[in-house]
Amino acid sequence: GENVEQHPSTLSVQEGDSAVIKCTYSDSASNYFPWYKQELGKRPQLIIDIRSNVGEKKDQRIAVTLNKTAKHFSLHITETQPEDSAVYFCAASFGNKLVFGAGTILRVKS
Amino acid sequence: DAGVIQSPRHEVTEMGQEVTLRCKPISGHNSLFWYRQTMMRGLELLIYFNNNVPIDDSGMPEDRFSAKMPNASFSTLKIQPSEPRDSAVYFCASSPAFKNTEAFFGQGTRLTVV
Repeated sequence: GENVEQHPSTLSVQEGDSAVIKCTYSDSASNYFPWYKQELGKRPQLIIDIRSNVGEKKDQRIAVTLNKTAKHFSLHITETQPEDSAVYFCAASFGNKLVFGAGTILRVKS
Repeated sequence: DAGVIQSPRHEVTEMGQEVTLRCKPISGHNSLFWYRQTMMRGLELLIYFNNNVPIDDSGMPEDRFSAKMPNASFSTLKIQPSEPRDSAVYFCASSPAFKNTEAFFGQGTRLTVV
């Protein structure tokens, strides 16, 4: 079926440390993998995405890696800051739609 | 561009009443999605449209839910009759292409059914 598993459900790190969130997907045909950040009471907003012809993508402190063979992809945030605290969602394309993971609550302690 | 616009932002209604949520996608976007967000189920895709045509409504939970897109700039999600378990945040999102591109979310409508 169309399934995206996301771990961990909560993550607490010290300011300046790195944070890693991992997702797996069920359909080997999936070829688009966005990550969204949702702050409390706000809308989800895209922070980075990757397509299946790329293994890694980086944007300043944020990077995403994709392993198509294993069907998993990860979000890496380096030098975390308090403003990184939010809920992060991964998603994978299934045909013409996006299916989201359950979300990870990231808390950055200062 | 003001982004995806949803109304109302908050809705409180009594069980059994009809609820209509509204969405204006970003101009030029030809795909529109309705999502429901709850603590238990996360972000669920309810239905999506391409060029105003419903493509997949398999996520619509029950016949009490219906969605329309009469033109490229407007969509509605209707719940009739509403039930307390429908309480959630409902997001509308649009994207400029049918697949494999960013979905831009509206601010959401927080629905409370009492």
